[in-house]
Amino acid sequence: KAGVTQTPRYLIKTRGQQVTLSCSPISGHRSVSWYQQTPGQGLQFLFEYFSETQRNKGNFPGRFSGRQFSNSRSEMNVSTLELGDSALYLCASSTGQGMVNTEAFFGQGTRLTVV
Amino acid sequence: SQKIEQNSEALNIQEGKTATLTCNYTNYSPAYLQWYRQDPGRGPVFLLLIRENEKEKRKERLKVTFDTTLKQSLFHITASQPADSATYLCALDPTGFQKLVFGTGTRLLVSP
Repeated sequence: KAGVTQTPRYLIKTRGQQVTLSCSPISGHRSVSWYQQTPGQGLQFLFEYFSETQRNKGNFPGRFSGRQFSNSRSEMNVSTLELGDSALYLCASSTGQGMVNTEAFFGQGTRLTVV
Repeated sequence: SQKIEQNSEALNIQEGKTATLTCNYTNYSPAYLQWYRQDPGRGPVFLLLIRENEKEKRKERLKVTFDTTLKQSLFHITASQPADSATYLCALDPTGFQKLVFGTGTRLLVSP
């Protein structure tokens, strides 16, 4: 079956702009999580959605937001971009059934560069 | 504070040897621990999940142990190959709701 698809793969934006990233999970998966990966901080959790509801949020400023649609596809938005937002943004999908820890399937990521 | 620590220095080994990677955690009580592989520019790929009541888990050349008393997991690759060269990440989910907390990863280099 098709894997997790993230679009676009690469983005270059200017400070102060906003950006929207998209993630299509594996068919049948209702949980979508977003992560930011940088050389200095590693992989950090942004937020997780399950059936259109945000269940968990990481320690990121309010400029980072997300949503999930009824078909489980998810978007994340970053407003008022800062240079420090340059990172690889990864989306992961899983079945996410309640309090059951299951493996996460990651997409290829979106490489965001803020100039 | 809560931490997940992995060897930050790269691990260099020769082909055919066993690679052992360490993951230590502090101030977590995870019910599960996961290991992922990540190649440059790509997303992590799930390898193994081990539960707190499992001492050891195997999958082909991979073996994971989980010691909740020591708060440590060990990840072994036996008969290592150059294709095993990658960064290996351990992760746990303190909430049970897909909020994975990752270690910093250990880069493994297997030379022919």
